[in-house]
Formats: sequence, C-alpha cells, structure tokens
Amino acid sequence: AQSVSQHNHHVILSEAASLELGCNYSYGGTVNLFWYVQYPGQHLQLLLKYFSGDPLVKGIKGFEAEFIKSKFSFNLRKPSVQWSDTAEYFCAVKDYKLSFGAGTTVTVRA
Amino acid sequence: DAGITQSPRHKVTETGTPVTLRCHQTENHRYMYWYRQDPGHGLRLIHYSYGVKDTDKGEVSDGYSVSRSKTEDFLLTLESATSSQTSVYFCAISEPKTGLEETQYFGPGTRLLVL
Repeated sequence: AQSVSQHNHHVILSEAASLELGCNYSYGGTVNLFWYVQYPGQHLQLLLKYFSGDPLVKGIKGFEAEFIKSKFSFNLRKPSVQWSDTAEYFCAVKDYKLSFGAGTTVTVRA
Repeated sequence: DAGITQSPRHKVTETGTPVTLRCHQTENHRYMYWYRQDPGHGLRLIHYSYGVKDTDKGEVSDGYSVSRSKTEDFLLTLESATSSQTSVYFCAISEPKTGLEETQYFGPGTRLLVL
C-alpha cells in the first residue's frame, strides 16, 4: 500500500496569505489523487481529484493542486486564504486502495 | 452531499460491551467502507464491502466485524469494545468507474468513547 506523507502538521496563516500544502506518495504506477477537507466538527469533503490529463487540477473554493509524476507529489495551493479555510486537509492516494496522509491542520487568523 | 447517514452520531460505552454502528446510503453505490480517524494517523481502513454479502478486511480490522445484507446498509460491530477503539468512525461510499477511477464520499461520522 502507498505511504502518503504530508509535510506540515500545522500551518498558521493570516487572511489573504497564500497557502501551499505538500503531499508525497511512496511509489509510482497509475494512481488517483485526492485532497479532502474537514471543517471543525464536520465530515470529510472532496476538494479536488486527479485521475488523468492536465496535471493542474482546479477544485472548489479556489483551491488547485499540481500533480508532478516525477516527484510523486500532489501539492495543494490557494492564492489567498480566508478565515473560513480553517480546517484539516488530507491528501489521499489510490492505487488498489485509498491511503490517507496524517493530515495538515490549517489555522487562518483574521 | 452524498446521501450517507451514520447512526448513532455519538456513543459512550464500557469496555467489554458489544457496539454496532450503522451506515445507510441512498445512492445505490456498490462499494462501502468503514474507516477510523485518529490524531496523527489520518484515516485508516477497517473493512470494506464491494457488494451485498461481499466484504473484506482493511489494514486495522482486528476486533471489528462487518455485515452487509442490503445494498444501502453497512454495519460495523465491535464484538467487545476496548479503550483503544475510542475513535471517530467514518463510513464512505463509492461507485467505481472504468479502470481505477473511483471517488469515495464520506458520511458525517460517529464519535465513539469506550470507558
């Protein structure tokens, strides 16, 4: 099974700052890639996904992610965060099963 | 949001008692999953089902059993709850497309405390 690494455990930002969250997985082959978000007290919601095609994927709420196959990476970005982006973010990789990273808590200060 | 409900949403129980969690979906998806979420571990797969009466183990299946007698319901049972099973439990559903393409959608979760 894949090992999924999220580089940051906790990120603290001010509103309007740019956000980038790193995600790497352990080995290649055909994979599906996902970012999920979990707002406080809520369930996981799909932010975006990559199956194939354009490696730059746009998701909901202004998020995007870039798949770099040579680096086994799928980093999440948002140019300007809002207080409402405070949440935990999970990267997930699927080959024959879905494997999750440990999550990154993002705190946006007003 | 996908039509997934979980019951109960919160439960407190004592060590050694049996506990059953229910996941119900209205999407008619073939695949259903049970995960547990613990700090620092993300989500870990307990069991999954790929059809009625078809189930298989995930990476943390010890101490858990599942049953799926209808497409819409997937039950997770802790035969004899232990404190290490205190966690948040999420159900997920999916309907795989061609090849590997599959997106899982998650339910609202059940918070279980074993004393």
